[in-house]
Amino acid sequence: EVQLVQSGAEVKKPGESLKISCKGSGYNFTNYWIGWVRQMPGKGLEWMGIIYPGDSDTRYSPSFQGQVTISADKSISAAYLQWSSLKASDTAMYYCARHVSPITVAAPWGQGTLVTVSS
Amino acid sequence: QSVLTQPPSVSGAPGQRVTISCTGSSSNIETTYNVHWYQQLPGTAPKLLIYGNSNRPSGVPDRFSGSKSGTSASLAITGLQAEDEADYYCQSYDSSLSGVVFGGGTKLTVL
Repeated sequence: EVQLVQSGAEVKKPGESLKISCKGSGYNFTNYWIGWVRQMPGKGLEWMGIIYPGDSDTRYSPSFQGQVTISADKSISAAYLQWSSLKASDTAMYYCARHVSPITVAAPWGQGTLVTVSS
Repeated sequence: QSVLTQPPSVSGAPGQRVTISCTGSSSNIETTYNVHWYQQLPGTAPKLLIYGNSNRPSGVPDRFSGSKSGTSASLAITGLQAEDEADYYCQSYDSSLSGVVFGGGTKLTVL
């Protein structure tokens, strides 16, 4: 079974750094793209960016370029979403999802990681 | 403001048919890029409902169907059931933005 499992919920203070993970199983992790999606409380889905673990080719949404870093470690079938200095406005649920290519459908999705940033 | 436009809400009685529209532009839906639909039940991750404009993944009931024409796509749900109450999102790719784009989401209420 193809599965993406994300790391657990995080509670952080403004200014702190954070790295959340998304681990794939049941398929060749290096042959598919992993995308990241933000969902703020009570709001819709926003595409943040995408990475190809095979060669770390990474593309960002203009809205998130410079705000986050997407990376991957193909040796352990993991993709990451990282912040160097969190803001309260980063409070959201973050999902990862698998793509065949950047233009294709996202499936399956991880279960989501809730990030809460509060002083 | 989402690149793809969906109605914020739709509703219908059990057994009825509802449609959800997704309107884009010449840089996304009108091109060769496909439209996909996701269902998000309360408190859960989105789940793929329709891919490639009109294809259902295994396990999705045939009450759900999708179509695409010009700059718009539609999701139709027939024989509405209480468990269909959820948020629905369309998704495509935009060549101007060089990235994935989502609709703003539509909340379906089963009366």
